[in-house]
Amino acid sequence: NAGVMQNPRHLVRRRGQEARLRCSPMKGHSHVYWYRQLPEEGLKFMVYLQKENIIDESGMPKERFSAEFPKEGPSILRIQQVVRGDSAAYFCASSPDSNEQFFGPGTRLTVL
Amino acid sequence: GESVGLHLPTLSVQEGDNSIINCAYSNSASDYFIWYKQESGKGPQFIIDIRSNMDKRQGQRVTVLLNKTVKHLSLQIAATQPGDSAVYFCAGLAGGTSYGKLTFGQGTILTVHP
Repeated sequence: NAGVMQNPRHLVRRRGQEARLRCSPMKGHSHVYWYRQLPEEGLKFMVYLQKENIIDESGMPKERFSAEFPKEGPSILRIQQVVRGDSAAYFCASSPDSNEQFFGPGTRLTVL
Repeated sequence: GESVGLHLPTLSVQEGDNSIINCAYSNSASDYFIWYKQESGKGPQFIIDIRSNMDKRQGQRVTVLLNKTVKHLSLQIAATQPGDSAVYFCAGLAGGTSYGKLTFGQGTILTVHP
């Protein structure tokens, strides 16, 4: 059973471009969480999704950020019009039952 | 609450020593805690968890202690090995939520010298 997959592992964008981060949960997991990690800090919760539903997006900025977890395919975290402050590591975690979470390797976003 | 700092706490130990990593939490409603290990360039890896109705839980070479009175959590690693070098995070889950919205601590850098 493959672990949580995230791609790309590294993403470089210029200010104003769009960033799309993908997360494929572990097989059989229908719960996905996205976290952001700034250098020298712990992970900060962004959004919690189940298939086709956003359950809790209280940690996600209201503007420019969106997330989805379609019926088929990976979960997508989308950042529009990126700014330098968006540079961070973005981690996805999946869970079979809304409790124990298994983390992916992360996507490191660098905004130039 | 959450603390933001430019420099993570660090702990340096010799191989074979025992390590103790500490974590304080502020949300008295937290009823489930997890310790994660994060190696450079990787995602957090589950180490051990504990529920608030316990004050101690042991795993393989690791022990977690929970003191609810002072809102303190610690991770003890026995016979620390160079492979234990990583950043260690505690995370908590507030009671009343039906899903795993974790709040992470700042983290501690553990360096094990051979």
